[in-house]
Amino acid sequence: EAQVTQNPRYLITVTGKKLTVTCSQNMNHEYMSWYRQDPGLGLRQIYYSMNVEVTDKGDVPEGYKVSRKEKRNFPLILESPSPNQTSLYFCASSLSPPQGVYTEAFFGQGTRLTVV
Amino acid sequence: TQLLEQSPQFLSIQEGENLTVYCNSSSVFSSLQWYRQEPGEGPVLLVTVVTGGEVKKLKRLTFQFGDARKDSSLHITAAQPGDTGLYLCAGAAEGGNNDMRFGAGTRLTVKP
Repeated sequence: EAQVTQNPRYLITVTGKKLTVTCSQNMNHEYMSWYRQDPGLGLRQIYYSMNVEVTDKGDVPEGYKVSRKEKRNFPLILESPSPNQTSLYFCASSLSPPQGVYTEAFFGQGTRLTVV
Repeated sequence: TQLLEQSPQFLSIQEGENLTVYCNSSSVFSSLQWYRQEPGEGPVLLVTVVTGGEVKKLKRLTFQFGDARKDSSLHITAAQPGDTGLYLCAGAAEGGNNDMRFGAGTRLTVKP
């Protein structure tokens, strides 16, 4: 089954404790991205990746890191989480980037992160 | 300020009514997408509009892309409770980076 899998689904952590949210897709998609979703603000892109070893900042990259060592995986790293990073996070992938032709984004189930 | 402005933010209607949701921008988009998101799930694509003036129909849903490719609308005819959800428009501005922008969404509730 074609899917985007992110883990964990729920996470409560303390300020400053490094964490990683994993994301994996099995569709051989080139474009992957991370979003955070907050009430009234919709989905805001954190980072995106056009292909292996190619990553770029999105709208709200501060406090986050990503890596793309393999095509299928795109982990999101919070080196020192803070309470303002409490949010619902989504990973997504698409065959081509948004300016391309096959732009349908497939989303994971989401990770609800709480930083206390 | 959002690159894509959606209105209304909230909409509560009775089953059988019609409604229109708007997505506006001052930027030109090569294409715009509409997604629907249900609680606890990620957004799911409904449609992609590509050509200025294009109209696409998906059963009771009609999507239109503005002639100048700066705006789009979603019209639902005879809404049903199953249409309840968060509707999001999204796209990448023409000539910009390949960063994907989403509107804040319209939360639709259809009461039986």
